[in-house]
Amino acid sequence: GNSVTQMEGPVTLSEEAFLTINCTYTATGYPSLFWYVQYPGEGLQLLLKATKADDKGSNKGFEATYRKETTSFHLEKGSVQVSDSAVYFCALTINTGGGNKLTFGTGTQLKVEL
Amino acid sequence: EAGVAQSPRYKIIEKRQSVAFWCNPISGHATLYWYQQILGQGPKLLIQFQNNGVVDDSQLPKDRFSAERLKGVDSTLKIQPAKLEDSAVYLCASSSGLTDTQYFGPGTRLTVL
Repeated sequence: GNSVTQMEGPVTLSEEAFLTINCTYTATGYPSLFWYVQYPGEGLQLLLKATKADDKGSNKGFEATYRKETTSFHLEKGSVQVSDSAVYFCALTINTGGGNKLTFGTGTQLKVEL
Repeated sequence: EAGVAQSPRYKIIEKRQSVAFWCNPISGHATLYWYQQILGQGPKLLIQFQNNGVVDDSQLPKDRFSAERLKGVDSTLKIQPAKLEDSAVYLCASSSGLTDTQYFGPGTRLTVL
């Protein structure tokens, strides 16, 4: 079956530090890959996505590259801010014609301190 | 553009009671999803509708959970009777089509005592 594995948290960083959150996947077929973010007390928001190998998704200074050879989609940001504190979910979907459910990882909590 | 609306935001019930959640998707979105998010886990799909038809309900515990989307717009998810392990956040999402980005509502946090 399809699955997503992401690094466990919490990840605690100082403001302006470099962020990497690792995500690897297992899928039959050719998935689309996503990063969703969940701020405290809010719903899931799409952060970025990539739909084919070597695509780079980017938004708000975050980026991730779809690496088919390593089945990875690591999230990076060059300089984090306190406002980036949230839970980050890596996810995939495969359109089989019978539905396109998102399969999520367990989430990684990021805490950014001054 | 208004986002996905859900109500209630919080609900506390005792085991064996019944509960219902409501979702109003983004206007014009044909596809609607219900996910269950247990604390410390990623969301898991319970059911997916395309208009008012079910596309995928393979992970819906049908002995106690039911969902409907009668007019292809709003949807209701019901649990009857609730168990302790149903304590979770229930997320509704919608997309304009089967291959499009899913947009999530704020969720309903259910606590079963």
